[in-house]
Amino acid sequence: GDSVTQTEGLVTLTEGLPVMLNCTYQTIYSNPFLFWYVQHLNESPRLLLKSFTDNKRTEHQGFHATLHKSSSSFHLQKSSAQLSDSALYYCAPSMNYGSSGNKLIFGIGTLLSVKP
Amino acid sequence: GGIITQTPKFLIGQEGQKLTLKCQQNFNHDTMYWYRQDSGKGLRLIYYSITENDLQKGDLSEGYDASREKKSSFSLTVTSAQKNEMAVFLCASSRTGGAREQYFGPGTRLTVL
Repeated sequence: GDSVTQTEGLVTLTEGLPVMLNCTYQTIYSNPFLFWYVQHLNESPRLLLKSFTDNKRTEHQGFHATLHKSSSSFHLQKSSAQLSDSALYYCAPSMNYGSSGNKLIFGIGTLLSVKP
Repeated sequence: GGIITQTPKFLIGQEGQKLTLKCQQNFNHDTMYWYRQDSGKGLRLIYYSITENDLQKGDLSEGYDASREKKSSFSLTVTSAQKNEMAVFLCASSRTGGAREQYFGPGTRLTVL
């Protein structure tokens, strides 16, 4: 079935260092949308980035990601981590199941902790 | 823009009790979703609905019922609350076409005593 694999568990970084959270997905569909959601403590998930176009970089709020369909990857990057980036990050491909509608495929997420 | 509201914000129940959570959206989205979030287990889909009166099972539908009374509202019922259960239930909605990104409500935090 369709699935997503992210950098597991907890990633701890020092402020100012680069961020790289890995995401690969597995699906039979050739044209999924890919999303990164961010969830801060005691908040609900909100959309951070989205992409549909192969090999095109998408950016928002200092984060960027490029969808590579050849490797089924959509890694999240940022050049310099900030304390406020500490949150749970979800990579989620969106699949269309015809008459059964659309679903996002969520994994367990990656917890990013940025220390001073 | 729009907003998703969930009621109640906090829900405390007793073991075996039937509990109902409600969700309303004013995005005019066709599809609505219910997720359960447990610490360390990510977001798990319980039920979703692609239109009024439609229901589709997710990966975690056992132990739950759902009802899409109208386009703007989607209810979830825990049929028999489990002792010591603690989780956050998140409602979301999305368009049918286009990028199909989901927008999430603030959540209902369930505690079962």
